Amino acid sequence: GIQVEQSPPDLILQEGANSTLRCNFSDSVNNLQWFHQNPWGQLINLFYIPSGTKQNGRLSATTVATERYSLLYISSSQTTDSGVYFCAPRSNRDDKIIFGKGTRLHILP
Amino acid sequence: GAGVSQSPSNKVTEKGKDVELRCDPISGHTALYWYRQSLGQGLEFLIYFQGNSAPDKSGLPSDRFSAERTGGSVSTLTIQRTQQEDSAVYLCASSLVRGYNTDTQYFGPGTRLTVL
Repeated sequence: GIQVEQSPPDLILQEGANSTLRCNFSDSVNNLQWFHQNPWGQLINLFYIPSGTKQNGRLSATTVATERYSLLYISSSQTTDSGVYFCAPRSNRDDKIIFGKGTRLHILP
Repeated sequence: GAGVSQSPSNKVTEKGKDVELRCDPISGHTALYWYRQSLGQGLEFLIYFQGNSAPDKSGLPSDRFSAERTGGSVSTLTIQRTQQEDSAVYLCASSLVRGYNTDTQYFGPGTRLTVL
C-alpha cells in the first residue's frame, strides 16, 4: 500500500511564528486531506487538496501530485493551532485512505 | 444531527468480553469509515463502507473484529473476546460520496476503549 511520511515529527514554535509541514507519499493519489487533531482528540478537516493550492485564513496548502508531496503552511501561529496535523492521501492503486503519523505542533504563548 | 456521533464515549471492559461501538454518520453520507488510534499514534484503517457495495474489510486486524452498517446509515463495530492490545480510541468518519471534492471525511469524537 501507499507509504506516507510526514515531517517534522515534532515542532515547537513561539506564538506568531510561521511553519511549513510536509507530507511525502509513495504512490499516485486521487485525493489528499489535511486534518488537525486538537488536544481533546477531535479531528477537523482542514483541506481537501488532491492538487494545486488552497488558502483558508492563516492556513494554506499545496499539493504537487506529480512529485508526490503536499505542504501545509501555518502563518502567524496561535496557541490554538497546537495539536497534531495529519495528512491522508487516497491511493489510486488500492483506493485506500492512509494517514501519516502526523506532525505534533506545540505553540508557546 | 449536525455531525458524526459515536457511542459510548468511553468503554471499560474486562479481557475476554465482547464490546459494541456505534457510529451515526452525517445524514445522507454514503461512505463510512472506521479507524483505530493507539495512544500517541496515527490512525489505523479498519473498514470502509460505500453505499450498497461490499465493505472493504482489509484493515480488520483479526477475525475478532467485525462491523455492520444497517440501512446504509448507522454502523456497529463489534470486538469479540477483547484483548488488552485492543485498547485504543476507535474513530468513525463519514463522507458524502466518492468523487472530487465530495470525498471530504468528517470525524466523530471517538470511543475510548480500555480493556483491563
